[in-house]
Amino acid sequence: DAGVIQSPRHEVTEMGQEVTLRCKPISGHDYLFWYRQTMMRGLELLIYFNNNVPIDDSGMPEDRFSAKMPNASFSTLKIQPSEPRDSAVYFCASSLSAGGHYGYTFGSGTRLTVV
Amino acid sequence: AQKITQTQPGMFVQEKEAVTLDCTYDTSDPSYGLFWYKQPSSGEMIFLIYQGSYDQQNATEGRYSLNFQKARKSANLVISASQLGDSAMYFCAMREPNDMRFGAGTRLTVKP
Repeated sequence: DAGVIQSPRHEVTEMGQEVTLRCKPISGHDYLFWYRQTMMRGLELLIYFNNNVPIDDSGMPEDRFSAKMPNASFSTLKIQPSEPRDSAVYFCASSLSAGGHYGYTFGSGTRLTVV
Repeated sequence: AQKITQTQPGMFVQEKEAVTLDCTYDTSDPSYGLFWYKQPSSGEMIFLIYQGSYDQQNATEGRYSLNFQKARKSANLVISASQLGDSAMYFCAMREPNDMRFGAGTRLTVKP
């Protein structure tokens, strides 16, 4: 299994531009999670999907952020317009069904820098 | 409200010695899972060990063991025989039952 695949690994963009981060979960995993990691706030859960349906987006910081999962093998996190404070590492993770004993498999992350 | 607490921002340990990283949690759900992840300087998140709320025995995975004290709501990670490659950030996390929340992490440095 190739694991959770995120692209791009690094993204540098100018303030005001649209940024799209991509994630391919592990085949068969029915939960997908987007996290943001910063020094100040640590690992924050932004949104998660179950069977392609968004379940909880209460962690999405503001309307500039949106996430979609059009099918079981692909998800995007979009920031429009981007701001310097969005600079962070964004992780995607996937998991098998609900139940506390299923851990997550994380992607390698996308390091976003907004200048 | 914060549900996972890691009170040690940084820890030092001598190579080949054991070290305990603290984690306490708060939940009213009887079914939950506790996890530890390692994040080396390269940035990836590596799963280390899992403990279920109904598990009677403490989890072990090689040099890692989880000291689970349910009544005290603590899930400390014990690393035995530390190696230089253990230097990293360590995160405690809880899943109850769907989404996983993480503590602030502990930076472990192993000294030669």
